[in-house]
Amino acid sequence: GGIITQTPKFLIGQEGQKLTLKCQQNFNHDTMYWYRQDSGKGLRLIYYSITENDLQKGDLSEGYDASREKKSSFSLTVTSAQKNEMAVFLCASSPQGYEQYFGPGTRLTVL
Amino acid sequence: GDSVTQTEGPVTLSEGTSLTVNCSYETKQYPTLFWYVQYPGEGPQLLFKVPKANEKGSNRGFEATYNKEATSFHLQKASVQESDSAVYYCALYNTNTGKLTFGDGTVLTVKP
Repeated sequence: GGIITQTPKFLIGQEGQKLTLKCQQNFNHDTMYWYRQDSGKGLRLIYYSITENDLQKGDLSEGYDASREKKSSFSLTVTSAQKNEMAVFLCASSPQGYEQYFGPGTRLTVL
Repeated sequence: GDSVTQTEGPVTLSEGTSLTVNCSYETKQYPTLFWYVQYPGEGPQLLFKVPKANEKGSNRGFEATYNKEATSFHLQKASVQESDSAVYYCALYNTNTGKLTFGDGTVLTVKP
């Protein structure tokens, strides 16, 4: 088995601040994802990466950057945090794209 | 684009009663369908998948049939338990785009 680790678990930032979320996986999966989960909403895809140094935009990429420096890690940057923004950011990995394994999430609050 | 619509929650049931969570989807492709479950404080985890039309998937007493004609994939369980309290997501995988599209989730609370 494997595990996905997301850091930090809780992230509190100020409006306009640049914030970075990190994700590590030891499944040795090729594809990794970042999703945003808002209360009462489904998961919306922000970015995904099918291999090291690859980046693909999802439906919600505006306001975010991503980086896949190596196979096991995938970072997400909120380029300018918006006041009253509160969401859970979920990282996932997959060996083939459709069966995804999720981390526990990073909960973001912007003051 | 693809879309998934599922029963709006929250749904509250007593232990031992039956559960149905409706899910319908729209896509121009031939999808693989999934149900994911998310427990408090955790990420979603795969409950089961059904890759082919008119087949059934099941796990832990939950089941769903991929109905291509009706474009539906309803989740059912005959007798729920308190430990089934969670958020359930229906999802569709599009092999052309490589993306998984989730419904909005249905919050289930089972009371003892």
